[in-house]
Amino acid sequence: NAGVTQTPKFRVLKTGQSMTLLCAQDMNHEYMYWYRQDPGMGLRLIHYSVGEGTTAKGEVPDGYNVSRLKKQNFLLGLESAAPSQTSVYFCASSYVRGETQYFGPGTRLLVL
Amino acid sequence: SQQGEEDPQALSIQEGENATMNCSYKTSINNLQWYRQNSGRGLVHLILIRSNEREKHSGRLRVTLDTSKKSSSLLITASRAADTASYFCAMIKAAGNKLTFGGGTRVLVKP
Repeated sequence: NAGVTQTPKFRVLKTGQSMTLLCAQDMNHEYMYWYRQDPGMGLRLIHYSVGEGTTAKGEVPDGYNVSRLKKQNFLLGLESAAPSQTSVYFCASSYVRGETQYFGPGTRLLVL
Repeated sequence: SQQGEEDPQALSIQEGENATMNCSYKTSINNLQWYRQNSGRGLVHLILIRSNEREKHSGRLRVTLDTSKKSSSLLITASRAADTASYFCAMIKAAGNKLTFGGGTRVLVKP
């Protein structure tokens, strides 16, 4: 089992460019999450999904969109990147709502 | 503001010593979880303690929960250099389904 994987591992964008981060899990989990982590801070929830075809907003959703077309994949999109979106992005999944989450290794994004 | 606040923000100890970190929160919770993050890596789940539990153990880890004080502590006994990491508490609010993280405690275990 690969668990939770994320691509890419690192990316540099210019302001205004767009990109999609991909998260994949092979544990057949219903729930998937996107977080961002900024220096010296814990993780903040961007968006989450409670099942294939569903998405919901988290704590800091502005500037991001998500899609969950397949149960195993959860995509995070930035339509027009801004320097404030420079961060490390983590994807996670869980089998049961409110229980243990399994995290991917993270994507480091730098927006110039 | 964050639901969880951790104390201390940083901790430096010698190998073999115990490390204790605390987490306080503001509203009633369903459960509280502790995660470890090694530098440059994702988070790894350590322990989950439910609101009706007071203490849990896993290997060298001991977690306590005091719902009357809205606080939890994580104790790492006989620390090792490999325990060097950031430790985060995270909680699910009562009747909620989203995990809210504290700011973390950076632990350095010196050999």
